[in-house]
Amino acid sequence: DTGVSQNPRHKITKRGQNVTFRCDPISEHNRLYWYRQTLGQGPEFLTYFQNEAQLEKSRLLSDRFSAERPKGSFSTLEIQRTEQGDSAMYLCASAFSGNTIYFGEGSWLTVV
Amino acid sequence: AQSVAQPEDQVNVAEGNPLTVKCTYSVSGNPYLFWYVQYPNRGLQFLLKYITGDNLVKGSYGFEAEFNKSQTSFHLKKPSALVSDSALYFCAVRAISGATNKLIFGTGTLLAVQP
Repeated sequence: DTGVSQNPRHKITKRGQNVTFRCDPISEHNRLYWYRQTLGQGPEFLTYFQNEAQLEKSRLLSDRFSAERPKGSFSTLEIQRTEQGDSAMYLCASAFSGNTIYFGEGSWLTVV
Repeated sequence: AQSVAQPEDQVNVAEGNPLTVKCTYSVSGNPYLFWYVQYPNRGLQFLLKYITGDNLVKGSYGFEAEFNKSQTSFHLKKPSALVSDSALYFCAVRAISGATNKLIFGTGTLLAVQP
């Protein structure tokens, strides 16, 4: 399968714990995005990488959230000191230059 | 700022009947418009896009969309609905700010096709 891959697909964590999600984009895609989606809502933009450079962070991304894309390949999204309001699906997407953006299957986070 | 609106939370249609899922947009400059579909507990799948050219765009699974500049609309259509088309549909517009090229999504429309 050569699509966008996300791991883990599901994560249940206790409030206050840290979690990390990984995204492997489609090979040779230089653009990588993270979105968050809650029930009944459309995906909301979180952050954008072009190669290894993080070019934009949404105001939705509080200081408890950090994303990296070392070497311009895979990316990680870490949430520190999780809160119940962080429960959502976290979607990763990738694209080559200005072409179509393709999404992964998402990572579900439940904070209890 | 770029935005899209999906005025219907849900669309119900009988199998075999034509379907339309509505989307209107607000952009400065030329719009780049997209439709994605989401099945339960899955990610988003790309259906089709309008960049330039013909106002009628054909996409995956028999879907098409009509771009109407005067009405600022980009409605998704299919001549004959299938039960398997039941899913959540999102309209999106490309937004460029600085060096960022991203998608802004609508709130989604749930399509329910009854057998």
